[in-house]
Amino acid sequence: NAGVTQTPKFQVLKTGQSMTLQCAQDMNHNSMYWYRQDPGMGLRLIYYSASEGTTDKGEVPNGYNVSRLNKREFSLRLESAAPSQTSVYFCASKRTANREQFFGPGTRLTVL
Amino acid sequence: DQQVKQNSPSLSVQEGRISILNCDYTNSMFDYFLWYKKYPAEGPTFLISISSIKDKNEDGRFTVFLNKSAKHLSLHIVPSQPGDSAVYFCAAPIDYDKVIFGPGTSLSVIP
Repeated sequence: NAGVTQTPKFQVLKTGQSMTLQCAQDMNHNSMYWYRQDPGMGLRLIYYSASEGTTDKGEVPNGYNVSRLNKREFSLRLESAAPSQTSVYFCASKRTANREQFFGPGTRLTVL
Repeated sequence: DQQVKQNSPSLSVQEGRISILNCDYTNSMFDYFLWYKKYPAEGPTFLISISSIKDKNEDGRFTVFLNKSAKHLSLHIVPSQPGDSAVYFCAAPIDYDKVIFGPGTSLSVIP
């Protein structure tokens, strides 16, 4: 099992460009999440999907959109990137009944 | 108010000694807590958890203590090893789906 995979690992964008971060899990988990990690801020929830076909906003959703493509895949889109979106982005998943989340390796995004 | 605080951004400990990482929370309704460990350039991994019906949970060298009256929990690592050097996040579920994370404590174990 690969667990949670994320692509790309690194990305540099110019202000105003768009991109989609991809996430997939092979653990048959219902719930999937997108977080961003900034220095001194911990992990902040951007969006989550409790099940296939549903998505909900987290703590910091502005400037992002998500798509739960199927049970395995959950993508995060930046329509018009801003320097404030420079961060490390983590995707995670979990079983509905459990509290523990499994994280991907992260995508380091720099917006110039 | 649903904050989880880790007031020590960093901690340095000699190999073989005890590491104590602290976490405070503000919402007395939190009933479960998790600790995650994160190495550089990797995602966080689950380490240990504790339910509010317990005051201690142990897993090998790792023990988490919960003091509900003080809204405080701590992670003890005994003995500390260089491979324990990582960032440790305290976390608490705020509902069935969402979890709030503390800012993390960076532990350095010196050989």
